[in-house]
Amino acid sequence: QMHLVESGGGVVQPGRSLRLSCAASGFAFSTYAIHWVRQAPGKGLEWVAVISTDGSIKHYADSVRGRFTISRDNSHNMVYLQMNSLRTDDTALYYCARDKAWGWFDPWGQGTLVTVSS
Amino acid sequence: EIVLTQSPATLSLSPGERATLSCRASQSISNYLAWYQHRPGQAPRLLIYDASNRATAIPARFSGSGSGTDFTLTISSLEPEDFAVYYCQHRSNWPPLTFGGGTKVEIK
Repeated sequence: QMHLVESGGGVVQPGRSLRLSCAASGFAFSTYAIHWVRQAPGKGLEWVAVISTDGSIKHYADSVRGRFTISRDNSHNMVYLQMNSLRTDDTALYYCARDKAWGWFDPWGQGTLVTVSS
Repeated sequence: EIVLTQSPATLSLSPGERATLSCRASQSISNYLAWYQHRPGQAPRLLIYDASNRATAIPARFSGSGSGTDFTLTISSLEPEDFAVYYCQHRSNWPPLTFGGGTKVEIK
């Protein structure tokens, strides 16, 4: 059973940092790229970042480039999203998702909530 | 950046009825389009990829069609669990990957 579990969300002040984790199980983790996708309250889905199988390729949405860093540890089946200089508009439910065919998301985790507020 | 526009924003239907959801791309994306179902409190689920291929374990009542700029998701006969928000998403010429704004299918 493929499984992705996000953690690390919480309440943080603007300008501070937070690191999200995504734990994967039930599939050959090192052979799949992994994405982060977020959903702000009452809004739609927004792609955030992707990391390739070996970590050599990383892409970011313009809204987070330069502030967020995606990384992975294939020995522990983990993906991370380091979020720096957080803004109130980063408030969202953050999902990690396994890549399918370099651009689809399947499956998704249940998400972890990040609230940026003073 | 490719913009995806979904219509209608809300679709009010009864169980057993047919649902037709539309997604239009701002430029041609060939068949590089997917559809996702998002129920409240649950993880989004891939339904259709490459415009018309059903994902694993997706019931046959879900079908996708289209190419270029105009795409359709059809649910042939709505089941109670199908009332949810549906998003289209492209993977043509990315980054970025983008989603449409969503269509909410609600019970009439």
